[in-house]
Amino acid sequence: GENVEQHPSTLSVQEGDSAVIKCTYSDSASNYFPWYKQELGKGPQLIIDIRSNVGEKKDQRIAVTLNKTAKHFSLHITETQPEDSAVYFCAARTYNTDKLIFGTGTRLQVFP
Amino acid sequence: DADVTQTPRNRITKTGKRIMLECSQTKGHDRMYWYRQDPGLGLRLIYYSFDVKDINKGEISDGYSVSRQAQAKFSLSLESAIPNQTALYFCATSDRYVGELFFGEGSRLTVL
Repeated sequence: GENVEQHPSTLSVQEGDSAVIKCTYSDSASNYFPWYKQELGKGPQLIIDIRSNVGEKKDQRIAVTLNKTAKHFSLHITETQPEDSAVYFCAARTYNTDKLIFGTGTRLQVFP
Repeated sequence: DADVTQTPRNRITKTGKRIMLECSQTKGHDRMYWYRQDPGLGLRLIYYSFDVKDINKGEISDGYSVSRQAQAKFSLSLESAIPNQTALYFCATSDRYVGELFFGEGSRLTVL
């Protein structure tokens, strides 16, 4: 089945700097790659996603890139702000099973 | 009111006890999921259901069972709880077309 690896497990940045979180997946049949943000005491919420027919997608300060050949995708946050501090999860879904498999999470801390 | 409601939010129990975690949703989604979150392990899929008559095992179904009582209700049971089932449990829903997961706020279970 699908396996998703996520790095780093923790990331600390200064406010205004950029943050990058990387994930790799194992199943070449995976075709959907969302990113979720989990704030303290809450459930994860979708922040951006990308499908396998697209190489990059941006939404304001957030972007996701996908390299299908290498089977990896990344989340890029620019001009980080303290409210970006949270746990971020990548995930991958395969076309045939339709299950969403998550990475192990990255705790991002943005210091003022 | 929350679109995805989990009860109880916190529960402490003893080894060997039967526990049920309940989830209800007002989003009208067909698909419902139970995930378990452990530090360093991310979100792992326990069971999922694509409609009322459909139940599927996820990555870590041993020791758990589920019931889909109606489109809006999906419960998770631990027949005989053990300490390594201590975790934060999330229910989530999605529709069949978009695929975005909507999570509840989680149920923290402690098994002593």
